[in-house]
Amino acid sequence: QQQVKQSPQSLIVQKGGISIINCAYENTAFDYFPWYQQFPGKGPALLIAIRPDVSEKKEGRFTISFNKSAKQFSLHIMDSQPGDSATYFCAAAHGGSQGNLIFGKGTKLSVKP
Amino acid sequence: EPEVTQTPSHQVTQMGQEVILRCVPISNHLYFYWYRQILGQKVEFLVSFYNNEISEKSEIFDDQFSVERPDGSNFTLKIRSTKLEDSAMYFCASSDGLITGELFFGEGSRLTVL
Repeated sequence: QQQVKQSPQSLIVQKGGISIINCAYENTAFDYFPWYQQFPGKGPALLIAIRPDVSEKKEGRFTISFNKSAKQFSLHIMDSQPGDSATYFCAAAHGGSQGNLIFGKGTKLSVKP
Repeated sequence: EPEVTQTPSHQVTQMGQEVILRCVPISNHLYFYWYRQILGQKVEFLVSFYNNEISEKSEIFDDQFSVERPDGSNFTLKIRSTKLEDSAMYFCASSDGLITGELFFGEGSRLTVL
């Protein structure tokens, strides 16, 4: 119930391509879905986030698509660049549990030049 | 840009020893957290702290763990008697509490228990 399932575990994309990472959840109490980006040796950094009242949010090359009925959400990285190579974590939280983020297992993205 | 700072960056300790990991959250933040990440695995919530008390803790955060805000700037995680399985990267995070889930993480303290 508290899990967030993330796929794929790893992803290799050519420069300029689209990277897509998918997540699914069970707990319908979740109302906040952030994506975190982590570079080696660094802490996770908030990339983009969405609430279930919208189906899509775009910030630059990064887009979250949200399907409330399917309890799924995904991150799309357009025009992927080598500098995007990092591990991406989806997460979920609900208002009654401040800061208790349930993370997915992460996707290691490699963007080849 | 304000950031969360953590010390030490790496600590090696013997099993059974006490360890204290230190964090300086972002100055105007009110909520503080510890997470851990075992090598190659997902980031896991340990504890949240607000108004000088624990507001939530996970099942990982057992009696061996404690947190403290000894002064107006530091936030510490103490592991009383370390076990091999405590080896992990420990991340401190803070938030202003205005947006659920918007946490700012430090770079982590790597703990190696031998």
